[in-house]
Amino acid sequence: DGGITQSPKYLFRKEGQNVTLSCEQNLNHDAMYWYRQDPGQGLRLIYYSQIVNDFQKGDIAEGYSVSREKKESFPLTVTSAQKNPTAFYLCASSIDAIYTFGSGTRLTVV
Amino acid sequence: AQSVTQPDIHITVSEGASLELRCNYSYGATPYLFWYVQSPGQGLQLLLKYFSGDTLVQGIKGFEAEFKRSQSSFNLRKPSVHWSDAAEYFCAVGARNAGNMLTFGGGTRLMVKP
Repeated sequence: DGGITQSPKYLFRKEGQNVTLSCEQNLNHDAMYWYRQDPGQGLRLIYYSQIVNDFQKGDIAEGYSVSREKKESFPLTVTSAQKNPTAFYLCASSIDAIYTFGSGTRLTVV
Repeated sequence: AQSVTQPDIHITVSEGASLELRCNYSYGATPYLFWYVQSPGQGLQLLLKYFSGDTLVQGIKGFEAEFKRSQSSFNLRKPSVHWSDAAEYFCAVGARNAGNMLTFGGGTRLMVKP
């Protein structure tokens, strides 16, 4: 079955640590996206990539970094510069404007 | 740039009652329009989409939506709500000239009373 896999489902980070969230897709989609979701705030775009080896900042990129070395993979690193990282993170891929979402990673700072 | 407004943050309906979730968009040309549903702690699932043609579109789980260009709206409807429909619903608009990027509304949380 084709789809998007996000791991881990739950992640705990200590203050000052970097953590990396995994996103893998086997849908052969060129475009991939990372969103952050906070209660009552909908989806906010962090980064997106339309093609391998290229990515663009979204609306809230500060404190985050990404890479797109393979078509299938678009990992997101939450750096220590992100002051309020506790949130639900969603990865998506798309073709012809139809998005497919992963099941999300809940990141908590402890 | 396109934008999407979902005026209702929360809606509560009784099981078996009809449902209409509102969505208004701002875009200069004919947009792509979508409705997604999200269960707690899960990703978003596509309910239905409008690209062109018939302005009344049918989706999964008995949902439908109607594109009204004159009102810049794409409201989601269901004639009889089931308890399992309790979730958060997101409207989204895409632009043909913006790399098919989607802009999402803030979401409407639906609660269903027994």
